[in-house]
Amino acid sequence: QAVLTQPASLSASPGASASLTCTLRSGINVGAYRIYWYQQKPGSPPQYLLRYPSDSDNHQGSGVPSRFSGSKDASANAGILLISGLQSEDEADYYCMTWHSSAFVFGTGTKVTVL
Amino acid sequence: EVQLVESGGGLVQPGGSLRLSCAASGFSFSTYEMNWVRQAPGMGLEWVSYISSGGTIYYADSVKGRFTISRDNARNSLFLQMDSLRVDDTAVYYCARSSGLTDWGPGTLVTVSS
Repeated sequence: QAVLTQPASLSASPGASASLTCTLRSGINVGAYRIYWYQQKPGSPPQYLLRYPSDSDNHQGSGVPSRFSGSKDASANAGILLISGLQSEDEADYYCMTWHSSAFVFGTGTKVTVL
Repeated sequence: EVQLVESGGGLVQPGGSLRLSCAASGFSFSTYEMNWVRQAPGMGLEWVSYISSGGTIYYADSVKGRFTISRDNARNSLFLQMDSLRVDDTAVYYCARSSGLTDWGPGTLVTVSS
């Protein structure tokens, strides 16, 4: 079972909110981990969006709009990236990442389509 | 402005070697952790290796014993020596700054094929 699991795809309309989940493997408690989020558009390197370990220690990437925000859902053992006011330019692949067992681990990635 | 530029990619036969470089500018290179991350064609991101400012090193299990990360702070450069290359090492290789991978280069393509 992968350390971080993301849904393969998500579709939403312009102006809507999109909630991307990053579920940690059973036995790994999301509360103990910093979750990082990246956006990648075709033909470009990934771009750092934000880091969310907790409300008091979150970090937004330079120039990243505030409509991108992070949170955690302890009941689901998941990190969450919320994109508010979805725009066509938000169409991209999104990856979560964390540090686990002396290695960085990326999630499987979610392709976001803006309909 | 932070800039990272990878070089050294190319076509190599299985079992061969390549040395990737990452030229850094716009920040105090010696004080930052650095990483290599790769992405196979049409696939997701895979972390490869990490080196701290003090020289602590980690590798992904998939490359341990075959790849060697190093840095030259005087030349503001990061390196990845890749030996015993396999077909499944084919990917775009990115260097990325810091433990949060906050800045990335454009990548260099490594193709392992006979």
